[in-house]
Amino acid sequence: GENVEQHPSTLSVQEGDSAVIKCTYSDSASNYFPWYKQELGKGPQLIIDIRSNVGEKKDQRIAVTLNKTAKHFSLHITETQPEDSAVYFCAASTQGNEKLTFGTGTRLTIIP
Amino acid sequence: EAGVAQSPRYKIIEKRQSVAFWCNPISGHATLYWYQQILGQGPKLLIQFQNNGVVDDSQLPKDRFSAERLKGVDSTLKIQPAKLEDSAVYLCASSFNPKGNTIYFGEGSWLTVV
Repeated sequence: GENVEQHPSTLSVQEGDSAVIKCTYSDSASNYFPWYKQELGKGPQLIIDIRSNVGEKKDQRIAVTLNKTAKHFSLHITETQPEDSAVYFCAASTQGNEKLTFGTGTRLTIIP
Repeated sequence: EAGVAQSPRYKIIEKRQSVAFWCNPISGHATLYWYQQILGQGPKLLIQFQNNGVVDDSQLPKDRFSAERLKGVDSTLKIQPAKLEDSAVYLCASSFNPKGNTIYFGEGSWLTVV
């Protein structure tokens, strides 16, 4: 089955700097790659997603890039703010929201 | 719009006891998921319903876990008998359909087995 590895497990950045989280996947048939943000005591919330026919997608301060050849995708957060502090999960699937395989998460801390 | 509702939020039980978690998805969402999230890990899909039918339960430990979705709306996840390794957050989620729509997660039910 699919295996998703996520790095780093923890990340601290100064407010205003950029943060990058990377994931690799094993199943070359995977075609859907969402990113979720999970705040303490809450469920994960979708923040951005990308499909395999697109190389990059942006939404304000958040962007995701996908390299199908290398089987990795990354989340980029620019101009970080304190409210960006949370745990971020990447995921991959061959069938949309079905059979999502999640990474192990990255705890992002924004230092004021 | 109301989100995915789950109860109870917290439960502590002894091993070999039973527990049940309830989920009410967002109105109109045909697809319902139960995920298990062990501390420090990403969520793992246990079971997926489409209306009141099971689409995928390949990762559900069927010797102790069961789930149902009566009338295609609310769902219940039961664990009997519980083991120490079942300590986790049980997340319910729903989506309008499984293919292209956003999954909305509830806040989870935190289970501690002692």
